[in-house]
Amino acid sequence: DAGVIQSPRHEVTEMGQEVTLRCKPISGHDYLFWYRQTMMRGLELLIYFNNNVPIDDSGMPEDRFSAKMPNASFSTLKIQPSEPRDSAVYFCASSKRRRMNTEAFFGQGTRLTVV
Amino acid sequence: GENVEQHPSTLSVQEGDSAVIKCTYSDSASNYFPWYKQELGKGPQLIIDIRSNVGEKKDQRIAVTLNKTAKHFSLHITETQPEDSAVYFCAAGGTASKLTFGTGTRLQVTL
Repeated sequence: DAGVIQSPRHEVTEMGQEVTLRCKPISGHDYLFWYRQTMMRGLELLIYFNNNVPIDDSGMPEDRFSAKMPNASFSTLKIQPSEPRDSAVYFCASSKRRRMNTEAFFGQGTRLTVV
Repeated sequence: GENVEQHPSTLSVQEGDSAVIKCTYSDSASNYFPWYKQELGKGPQLIIDIRSNVGEKKDQRIAVTLNKTAKHFSLHITETQPEDSAVYFCAAGGTASKLTFGTGTRLQVTL
């Protein structure tokens, strides 16, 4: 398996523009997580899905952020409109839970810069 | 919700020495404690994990200990090598499957 695949790897956009980040989880994994990483706040969980259904979006910072998972192999995180403080590295991760928690596999991340 | 604190934020050791990173958690319901290593420009990668029914786990030069009573767990790296230089994150997870991460420790192994 190629692992968790995120695109794009880097995104530079102007303030006010819409940004869409994409993620393809590992095949067979039933959990998908979106994290944001910054120097100040570390790794923050934004939202996670189980079997394509959003379970907990309490980490989504504002209504400008939205996430979807239309099927088991694809998820998007959208920011509209983007602001400079959204600049961060966004990670997608997936896992397959059996009877208990198991390893979450992370993608390479998308480095977002909003100017 | 869960709160994970991690110390130190930076750690510099000489090659061959040991490194210890400590974490505390707040939610007694947490039962899964993984450690991730993140190299520059990459996503975090699991290096070892421990569950609440075990007090210690070892994998070659890496070991993790868990004290459920005190709600703390530690990562021990022995015989450190330059390739161990990275940022290390602890995390805690419960029945909800989501992980709460510590703030990270930047480990520098010097020659």
